[in-house]
Amino acid sequence: EAGVTQSPTHLIKTRGQQATLRCSPISGHTSVYWYQQALGLGLQFLLWYDEGEERNRGNFPPRFSGRQFPNYSSELNVNALELEDSALYLCAIQFGVTEAFFGQGTRLTVV
Amino acid sequence: QQPVQSPQAVILREGEDAVINCSSSKALYSVHWYRQKHGEAPVFLMILLKGGEQKGHDKISASFNEKKQQSSLYLTASQLSYSGTYFCGIYGNKLVFGAGTILRVKS
Repeated sequence: EAGVTQSPTHLIKTRGQQATLRCSPISGHTSVYWYQQALGLGLQFLLWYDEGEERNRGNFPPRFSGRQFPNYSSELNVNALELEDSALYLCAIQFGVTEAFFGQGTRLTVV
Repeated sequence: QQPVQSPQAVILREGEDAVINCSSSKALYSVHWYRQKHGEAPVFLMILLKGGEQKGHDKISASFNEKKQQSSLYLTASQLSYSGTYFCGIYGNKLVFGAGTILRVKS
């Protein structure tokens, strides 16, 4: 069954630090999306990885970056954290234009 | 280009109906609908493909008008379990979501 595991569930960092969030799609899905959901806001597209390459990125500064590993798991890195980076970060897998399956997310809090 | 959803929020009593709209400035080839309950991940409801077909999921259905570049989600005889935030998503070269519509069903 298709699914997505994200870790950690919660992460608390200090302003200026770096955060690393992880996403593991099961069943060998090659395409991984990252979204940011700030409190009260919608799902903002961050990054899309497929077959190990970055295919598209949203309107976010370069301090948001990531990578996809040979096993198709993915990492999202946020450097020089700012208070407004506090949000729920969601990872999703999708086959082409079909439904997307979301992980439970990582709640990042910057203090 | 982010799709535009309306209304931003709606409050219903059990048994009432609601319509959530999603429109895009770009040509639509498919529209996704998701529901997110508080503290949970978004869950897929349905996808509508180009062709104007209407799909259903229990008492939730949706339509897709590609000429008007819009989709509507219809919630009939709402139940308490329908409460949550509804997102429409459009797929161009990436899956982009609207800002969401908060739906609250009261008893």
